[in-house]
Amino acid sequence: QSVLTQPPPASATPGQRVTISCSGSSSNIGSNSVNWYQQLPGTAPKLLMYSNNQRPSGVPDRFSGSKSGTSASLAISGLQSEDEAAYYCAAWDDSLNGWVFGGGTKLTVL
Amino acid sequence: EVQLVESGGGLVQPGRSLRLSCAASGFIFGGFAMHWVRQAPGKGLEWVSGISSNSGSIGYADSVKGRFTISRDNAKNSLYLHMDSLRADDTALYYCAKGGGSSAQFACDYWGQGTLVTVSS
Repeated sequence: QSVLTQPPPASATPGQRVTISCSGSSSNIGSNSVNWYQQLPGTAPKLLMYSNNQRPSGVPDRFSGSKSGTSASLAISGLQSEDEAAYYCAAWDDSLNGWVFGGGTKLTVL
Repeated sequence: EVQLVESGGGLVQPGRSLRLSCAASGFIFGGFAMHWVRQAPGKGLEWVSGISSNSGSIGYADSVKGRFTISRDNAKNSLYLHMDSLRADDTALYYCAKGGGSSAQFACDYWGQGTLVTVSS
């Protein structure tokens, strides 16, 4: 059981806009920023979004992030086949004094 | 280019110990926190442990507290994870990850390819 809650697997078609949610509590998302990771099949995770809505260099602006209260979301617009991956949210937890992750959302591009 | 190369994984019997290493290059190792994050087969990511740049602050997940010890050698650009009393549920791919700053509270911005630990009799 993950501390952060993400929705089950999702599927969408190329060109669509998808949103992946992440729900936490006051000790993690409620008091700290959220990061998102993309894990392509068979590869290591890659930082996709940090500090709620900041994209590292090289991440397309099709990806955007937001946070409100104890929830956050990642949006992908103009979905492409290479976006097929698992997406994880993460936040520092002040009570646990460590990082907590969501269970991951596997996105399939049909 | 940031590179993180893990080593030390393998097959180990329950109750035994194992030491993982992570060799870092491409950045000023002593200026950044480092982490170990694991992923059980077919499962999600789980933060295991983190250490600040000067080793002054260390944290562990409850699942490994008292059994695992993280350490670093800034002179050797290396991160370590000593794992004692290993259990079947410690079986996972263990990733070494670089923090975005000196404190462990910065996001992990680079990850190695992982080293597989299998705990089985």
